[in-house]
This record gives sequence, structure tokens and C-alpha cells, in this order.
Amino acid sequence: AQSVTQLDSQVPVFEEAPVELRCNYSSSVSVYLFWYVQYPNQGLQLLLKYLSGSTLVKGINGFEAEFNKSQTSFHLRKPSVHISDTAEYFCAVSDLVNQAGTALIFGKGTTLSVSS
Amino acid sequence: DGGITQSPKYLFRKEGQNVTLSCEQNLNHDAMYWYRQDPGQGLRLIYYSQIVNDFQKGDIAEGYSVSREKKESFPLTVTSAQKNPTAFYLCASSMTQGVTEAFFGQGTRLTVV
Repeated sequence: AQSVTQLDSQVPVFEEAPVELRCNYSSSVSVYLFWYVQYPNQGLQLLLKYLSGSTLVKGINGFEAEFNKSQTSFHLRKPSVHISDTAEYFCAVSDLVNQAGTALIFGKGTTLSVSS
Repeated sequence: DGGITQSPKYLFRKEGQNVTLSCEQNLNHDAMYWYRQDPGQGLRLIYYSQIVNDFQKGDIAEGYSVSREKKESFPLTVTSAQKNPTAFYLCASSMTQGVTEAFFGQGTRLTVV
């Protein structure tokens, strides 16, 4: 079964600084990867996804991620963060569950805290 | 507007009582999912359904039950057998399983006292 590791549980940064949130997945023949954002007491919103094609994926709110097959990574980046980017970020992979069907498997999340 | 509606947003129950969380979607999605979220644990899959009248256990199905009698609805029952039911519960749906993105509801925070 696939697994997702988010390497940092918390990432504090100052406003307008660049940020990278790291995500590694376990190897698979084919993989579909996602980044979601969650604001307090709300559901998850899709930031971006990698299904195939270009390894650099651009998403909403100025975020982008790079799929690196050799390093089994899918790190999320933003060149300049805003206070409003403060939220929890989840990396997810599509995987077969209990040999019966597929669902998204999530990492434990990274809390991004942006301060002025 | 299309979307996923979870109700209620907050739910309090006494220990030993069963409770049912509602999830309705009008996106015409075939697949629906229930996740449990605890601080520092990420989202863990409870149950998922690929089609009406069919569903499969996820990683933490013990103490939970679901039904899928209609395409639009996927209610989750938290039974008294669930040892630690206090958590944030998220329902999601997708056009097909896994490969396409999942759309999430706003969540239900269940507190058992």
C-alpha cells in the first residue's frame, strides 16, 4: 500500500518569504498526487494535482509543486507567502485500499504559520 | 451551487449512544468517502463507496457503519463500539475513484461526553 510522509509538521515563515512544504510518497508504478489546504474548522480545498505530463504543476493561490519520480517527492512551493496562507496543508496519493478500490491516502499534514 | 453538505456542523452526544452524520452531494459523483481527522494524525479513511448499494471498509472502519441507498447520500453512523469517537469527520466525493480529485464537505465536529 502507498504511504505519504510529510516531513515537517510545522513550518513558520515570515510574510513575503519563500516556502517549501515537503512530501514524499512510497514508490509505485504509477502515482497520482495531490495537495490540499485546510483552513480552521473547514473542509479541504484542492490546491493542485499531478496525474501525468509536465512534472511542474501550478495550482491556485500562487502555489506550485514538482513531481520527482527518482526521489519519490512532490514538494509544494510558493515564492512569496501572505498572512492569508496560514493553514494546514495535506499531501495525498491515490492508492488501492484493501484490494477493493482506490481512495486518496493522506499525509499527517503540515501547519504553515505566516507572521508579519 | 453544486457541492457537498455535511450536517450538523457540531454534534454532541453522550457516551454509549449511536449517532448518524449526514452527507449529501449534488455533484452527480459516483464515489463517496468518509474520513476521520484527529490533531497530528492527518485524515484516515473510514469507509468509501464506489456505487449505490456498495461500500468498502477503509483503514479504520471498526465502530462505524455506512449505507449508500442513493447516489446523493452517504450517511455515517458512529456506534457505541467506537472507543474514541470524538473527532472531526469529513465527507468527500469524486467523479471516479481516486484518480480524480476529491471534493470535501465542511466537516462535522463530533464530541462525545
